[in-house]
Amino acid sequence: EPEVTQTPSHQVTQMGQEVILRCVPISNHLYFYWYRQILGQKVEFLVSFYNNEISEKSEIFDDQFSVERPDGSNFTLKIRSTKLEDSAMYFCASSGREFSSYEQYFGPGTRLTVT
Amino acid sequence: GNSVTQMEGPVTLSEEAFLTINCTYTATGYPSLFWYVQYPGEGLQLLLKATKADDKGSNKGFEATYRKETTSFHLEKGSVQVSDSAVYFCALSLMNRDDKIIFGKGTRLHILP
Repeated sequence: EPEVTQTPSHQVTQMGQEVILRCVPISNHLYFYWYRQILGQKVEFLVSFYNNEISEKSEIFDDQFSVERPDGSNFTLKIRSTKLEDSAMYFCASSGREFSSYEQYFGPGTRLTVT
Repeated sequence: GNSVTQMEGPVTLSEEAFLTINCTYTATGYPSLFWYVQYPGEGLQLLLKATKADDKGSNKGFEATYRKETTSFHLEKGSVQVSDSAVYFCALSLMNRDDKIIFGKGTRLHILP
């Protein structure tokens, strides 16, 4: 069964450093998303991406964040200068937007720890 | 705005007990409703879904019915197992261009053997 994959599974970085989180969505999907979950809290939407541009972004997704689909398979989230409060689990999701199902398939997540 | 409210945990039950996790929603349109499960150390998995009023989603013995009149989507299971221990998230999506998923805060479930 096709699945969304994410790398790395755990990333530790120092405050102020840039990090890139990588995702490989399901191959025929067209819509891509990033969510984050701060430890013990709810999952929050960050950004959606379609046709090589951002469809929607939340207020969390400020100028420090960017997304890119650099090739036909990867979807990346970049945080330019990490802050302590960026420590969270980051989930990538993709959707094919089939007629009867807009189901988003989630990856296993990348745990980002900012020290 | 759109939001999901679910009962706070943790919920602790004995094996074979009946489970209910309450979930209510507020939505500006006609949402699709979901339950996601997160097992320890893992990502989010879709457990079940319902896309219109009175639909019942079911999977792995879990059920939830889309109740438009009470804006609810309560999760139930007749006989829980230790392996059901996880965090359960109720969620909604408006399934249009603005199709982000909005999650509740999650309910941690502990099942005792």
